[in-house]
Amino acid sequence: EAGVTQSPTHLIKTRGQQATLRCSPISGHTSVYWYQQALGLGLQFLLWYDEGEERNRGNFPPRFSGRQFPNYSSELNVNALELEDSALYLCASSLIGGGDEKLFFGSGTQLSVL
Amino acid sequence: QKEVEQNSGPLSVPEGAIASLNCTYSDRVSQSFFWYRQYSGKSPELIMSIYSNGDKEDGRFTAQLNKASQYVSLLIRDSQPSDSATYLCAGPHRGGYNKLIFGAGTRLAVHP
Repeated sequence: EAGVTQSPTHLIKTRGQQATLRCSPISGHTSVYWYQQALGLGLQFLLWYDEGEERNRGNFPPRFSGRQFPNYSSELNVNALELEDSALYLCASSLIGGGDEKLFFGSGTQLSVL
Repeated sequence: QKEVEQNSGPLSVPEGAIASLNCTYSDRVSQSFFWYRQYSGKSPELIMSIYSNGDKEDGRFTAQLNKASQYVSLLIRDSQPSDSATYLCAGPHRGGYNKLIFGAGTRLAVHP
């Protein structure tokens, strides 16, 4: 069974540009979570999608947004990129969606903003 | 106070020893906790989950939860160099906001 897949693996952008990151959950999982992991820091919760709806978001500005498609895959968009947005962006999926279940992570997208 | 706190380490133990990783949390109503392992340059992988007070054992790993003290720990017996990684403790956000909050992680180094 395929795990969580993310694309691209690496993404290089310049300040002010937009970045789009993609995630496909494990088959049968309806919840998708996005986390940001800056170098040397822990995972910071970004967004949670379940059944196509945004259910919760972390303390990030509105230029971080996303959506979940009918097939449960998800997209994270970061507008007006800033240097401090450089980080590893991890997508995770789970079966239920509520915070008490297990998350399975993808390999991440390393975003570099120059 | 951070919601989930861990000592960043590094925790250095000799091969074959018991590694003890600790985590405290602030939300008294949290019911479930998770330990993830993250190798350098890789994504986190779930190694243990614990939902009730007491111990839960899985192979060389034992998770311990003490809700009265708001304390979670992970013991790794017979530590191997391949256990060298960052260990992340995670628990649900207080107030039922339905998201996992991760600690900053403890870096474990097992030396031969």
